[in-house]
Amino acid sequence: DAGITQSPRHKVTETGTPVTLRCHQTENHRYMYWYRQDPGHGLRLIHYSYGVKDTDKGEVSDGYSVSRSKTEDFLLTLESATSSQTSVYFCAIGSGADTQYFGPGTRLTVL
Amino acid sequence: GQQVMQIPQYQHVQEGEDFTTYCNSSTTLSNIQWYKQRPGGHPVFLIQLVKSGEVKKQKRLTFQFGEAKKNSSLHITATQTTDVGTYFCAGRNQAGTALIFGKGTTLSVSS
Repeated sequence: DAGITQSPRHKVTETGTPVTLRCHQTENHRYMYWYRQDPGHGLRLIHYSYGVKDTDKGEVSDGYSVSRSKTEDFLLTLESATSSQTSVYFCAIGSGADTQYFGPGTRLTVL
Repeated sequence: GQQVMQIPQYQHVQEGEDFTTYCNSSTTLSNIQWYKQRPGGHPVFLIQLVKSGEVKKQKRLTFQFGEAKKNSSLHITATQTTDVGTYFCAGRNQAGTALIFGKGTTLSVSS
């Protein structure tokens, strides 16, 4: 597997609290992506980055923000978590829209 | 907006039977990729098809890209229990910066 890690792997939080998920890569890929996966919806793109400090919105970006201050790190923040954001979050790295390599995922539960 | 659709959503087969999943795009694709996600795991890249009418094989898996580059299929011959998982197709978005995933086909196999 590509050198990509996510932290934390599991998190339980309460509605209204801020949450930050971290994706770290050792592959020096320019592009990094955040997806959420929910039953019946497949993989939906939240945000992506095409370089340090360069980010763009995906299909389901409302309620999420991202930051990329270093090539290797891509952070996803839920400013005020809601129960609808309970999901499995995957980070992926790649080169544009070519092959993507996924991290192990973070299971987030918002109570 | 651009969509990638997959059918069926679920498929159950007896071990040894064949399995096919179909992928259709609302727009012409420059390429199509296929990923497999084992239960509890993360999506893993299987293959990329680029040319119109292209057919590629990986052991018991056969991948096809339609002549019009708007559809694709994955066929598994003589399924095994190790084939269990969700198979996703994905196509480039029009900007060429991200992938749009189908919702996936979940395959279960009973022995």
